[in-house]
Amino acid sequence: DIQLTQSPSSLSASVGDRVTVTCRASQSINNYLNWYQQRPGKAPQFLLFAASSLRSGVPSRFRGSGSGTDFTLTINNLQPEDFATYYCQQTYSTPITFGQGTRLEIK
Amino acid sequence: QVQLQESGPGLVKPSQTLSLTCTVSGDSIGSDSYYWNWIRQPAGKGLEWIGRIYPSGSTNYNPSLKSRVTISIDTSKNQFSLKLRSVTAADTAVYYCARVPDYTSSGYVDVWGKGTPVTISS
Repeated sequence: DIQLTQSPSSLSASVGDRVTVTCRASQSINNYLNWYQQRPGKAPQFLLFAASSLRSGVPSRFRGSGSGTDFTLTINNLQPEDFATYYCQQTYSTPITFGQGTRLEIK
Repeated sequence: QVQLQESGPGLVKPSQTLSLTCTVSGDSIGSDSYYWNWIRQPAGKGLEWIGRIYPSGSTNYNPSLKSRVTISIDTSKNQFSLKLRSVTAADTAVYYCARVPDYTSSGYVDVWGKGTPVTISS
C-alpha cells in the first residue's frame, strides 16, 4: 500500500494568513494526488485534483503543487470558512489511500 | 443534481454482517462515466477506502478488508450495496458512498453521500 503522510497534523492560523500543508507519499505517485476539505459532521468535499488542478467553483486562494512523492496545499488569505480538516488522497494504485488529515484551527 | 443517500441499520452486533445500500438520484448508476465507492471514517480518525464497483459489476477491494467485503450493484434500482461480514468494534465508523468520474484518470470523488454512522455493539 502507498502511505501518505501529512504534516502538520494540526495548525493554528488567523484569518488572512497563508498556510501550507504537506503530503508525502511512500513512493512516486506521479500527480495522482487529490485534496479534500472536511468540516465537522460533514462529508469531505473535493478541492483539487491531479495535484494542482482546482475544482470548478473552488476559490483561487487554494493552490496545489508537487509531483512524485512531495505535494503541498497552500491556502492564501485564510477565510473563516476555511477552518476545517484537509486530506490528501492518492489514486495512483489500489488500495486508494488517504493521508491522516491536517486540522486547521483558528488562532 | 446528483445525490447519494446511504441507508441501513445503525447498530450491528459483533460477528454479524453489516449491510448498507446507497441510492443514487439524478444520475444513472449504469452510466459508463462513473464508478461507485464505499469509504468509511471512524470517529475522530481518517478516511479508509473500502472498495469500488463499476457499472459492469467489476469490483476492487481494499486488501485489508477483501476477505469480508462484497460490493454489488443493482442498475434497475439505481443502487449499489456494501456487505461487511464478521464485524467487530473496529468496524464502527461513518460509512460514505461516493461517486468517481471514470472519464478522468485522477480518480477523485466528486460526489459524496452524507454518510451513515454504524456502531458495532452487542
